[in-house]
Amino acid sequence: NAGVMQNPRHLVRRRGQEARLRCSPMKGHSHVYWYRQLPEEGLKFMVYLQKENIIDESGMPKERFSAEFPKEGPSILRIQQVVRGDSAAYFCASSLERTGSGGYTFGSGTRLTVV
Amino acid sequence: DQQVKQNSPSLSVQEGRISILNCDYTNSMFDYFLWYKKYPAEGPTFLISISSIKDKNEDGRFTVFLNKSAKHLSLHIVPSQPGDSAVYFCAASEGGTNAGKSTFGDGTTLTVKP
Repeated sequence: NAGVMQNPRHLVRRRGQEARLRCSPMKGHSHVYWYRQLPEEGLKFMVYLQKENIIDESGMPKERFSAEFPKEGPSILRIQQVVRGDSAAYFCASSLERTGSGGYTFGSGTRLTVV
Repeated sequence: DQQVKQNSPSLSVQEGRISILNCDYTNSMFDYFLWYKKYPAEGPTFLISISSIKDKNEDGRFTVFLNKSAKHLSLHIVPSQPGDSAVYFCAASEGGTNAGKSTFGDGTTLTVKP
């Protein structure tokens, strides 16, 4: 059984292009979280989704960023008109339940480079 | 305002000795505290957690201690092994309607020397 699958592993975009990051949670997990890690920093929460619903998007920048987790298919983090400051590692995680005690299962991340 | 702080960016210990990683927090609403381990080019891996109603949780070589009055927790690894060399993140999450998301510290890089 595969864990959390993220693709692509590496993504290079020119300034102004769109970036689409995909995440398939672990089988049976219905809670998905996106985190961003800038160099030499910790992981910063972006958004928490369940199937077809955004539960908490308090960490999402107000412009250019959006996320979805449709009924069928992976969760998508979409960044429009990328800028150099968007270069970071983006991690997706999933969990079986909403409570915090059991921890997340993380994917290996997508490293976005904006040139 | 950083709600979870790991004040030591790095720690180096000898194989077989104890590693102690520290974490401080400011938010009294945190219900759970978690530790993750991360190798380069991989996602974090969940290690151990502790509920705010406990002061100690142990799992094999890993023990987490929580001091609520000091808003401080620590992860003890005994004995340390070279394979433990990684970045360790402390994280915390609330319960209730804010359950789900976790707030992470900036990490401590542990190096275990053979």
